[in-house]
Amino acid sequence: QQQVRQSPQSLTVWEGETAILNCSYEDSTFNYFPWYQQFPGEGPALLISISSVSDKKEDGRFTIFFNKREKKLSLHITDSQPGDSATYFCAASRNYQLIWGSGTKLIIKP
Amino acid sequence: GALVYQYPRRTICKSGTSMRMECQAVGFQATSVAWYRQSPQKTFELIALSTVNSAIKYEQNFTQEKFPISHPNLSFSSMTVLNAYLEDRGLYLCGARGGQGEQYFGPGTRLTVL
Repeated sequence: QQQVRQSPQSLTVWEGETAILNCSYEDSTFNYFPWYQQFPGEGPALLISISSVSDKKEDGRFTIFFNKREKKLSLHITDSQPGDSATYFCAASRNYQLIWGSGTKLIIKP
Repeated sequence: GALVYQYPRRTICKSGTSMRMECQAVGFQATSVAWYRQSPQKTFELIALSTVNSAIKYEQNFTQEKFPISHPNLSFSSMTVLNAYLEDRGLYLCGARGGQGEQYFGPGTRLTVL
């Protein structure tokens, strides 16, 4: 059973639009939710994260919206750029362990 | 800023041989190090979690006999893949956890087994 789910599997948006990536989880004990950005051939880079006590976290063009009651969160990328094209992973943390989603491949068309 | 270095970036070994990979956290105090393997399908498997001064905890399907890990201090960890075979290929990632719970990853060591 997948504990962290991501959708869509792939997403294509035009440059300048807002990309919305979704994530949901099963276990209510998860308390920390990082999003990672991974380019081909590289390791995942920590992009932005949120703890379960917050409902929103913003960092430049990247915003996480978190709904604890529904166990859902989303990553919004505003004014998307071709350089944002990458695979984005949502993860959930409990103690020291990260549980990963399966990723969303984002393509930004110029 | 917080950085995690991994060495080597790529390695090729013959089936049945072993290879060692290293991980170093720079710019922050790592409270733990987790080793993952990312498959070609991009899924992540946790191999083991290492906290300094505590026993290294291996996940199901991964053993110390196959993936011995050394974690002598807060900033350095190494892992060896012993008797590597085709099913061991993938991108091996080291994730070092900082004091606030954030986990930073290195670029990975890509293992190819011939």
